[in-house]
Amino acid sequence: GAVVSQHPSRVICKSGTSVKIECRSLDFQATTMFWYRQFPKKSLMLMATSNEGSKATYEQGVEKDKFLINHASLTLSTLTVTSAHPEDSSFYICSASPGTEYSNQPQHFGDGTRLSIL
Amino acid sequence: EDKVVQSPLSLVVHEGDTVTLNCSYEVTNFRSLLWYKQEKKAPTFLFMLTSSGIEKKSGRLSSILDKKELFSILNITATQTGDSAIYLCAVGATSGTYKYIFGTGTRLKVLA
Repeated sequence: GAVVSQHPSRVICKSGTSVKIECRSLDFQATTMFWYRQFPKKSLMLMATSNEGSKATYEQGVEKDKFLINHASLTLSTLTVTSAHPEDSSFYICSASPGTEYSNQPQHFGDGTRLSIL
Repeated sequence: EDKVVQSPLSLVVHEGDTVTLNCSYEVTNFRSLLWYKQEKKAPTFLFMLTSSGIEKKSGRLSSILDKKELFSILNITATQTGDSAIYLCAVGATSGTYKYIFGTGTRLKVLA
């Protein structure tokens, strides 16, 4: 149980392109999903918390107009990197938990999306 | 500011050795501490700890939390080359919103 699917796994595109990444919880409903970015040999950096039916909460320093997050349903959140540039190249990972902070269930990760902007 | 610190940053051992990985934290409104193993893709879940002193075990891996001293350890006994990975510690906390703060990870390499 608690499977999170992330798609696509790899994107290579030209500078200026917008890229959409999908994160789905396959066998549970997730009120909250998280989006992380990971640089080579570094830990996960939380970008934003995606809340179903409301605006995402962005971490300090993350441009909300650059990284658009939509949490359209209890099983789907999307991250769109708008007008991507080479410095946006990174490994993006989403996660979701079937619980809340009060039920204390672990978050489970998608397989990540490796984004390469040429 | 919330922070999670892992040590050592990297470790090289030989098969059969036992390793102990450390995670200390300072967060507002602690909820849980999680250990993950990351190989080539996204992290896979190992343990979630919420109570002090209760050891969690899975095969050769075990972990325990000390909420008084604000740290956790992850033990791996009889290491194998397949244990080579980055081990991440994450703390769930409610500081403003509920979120997970990750440590920098410990890169473990097990030599045959």
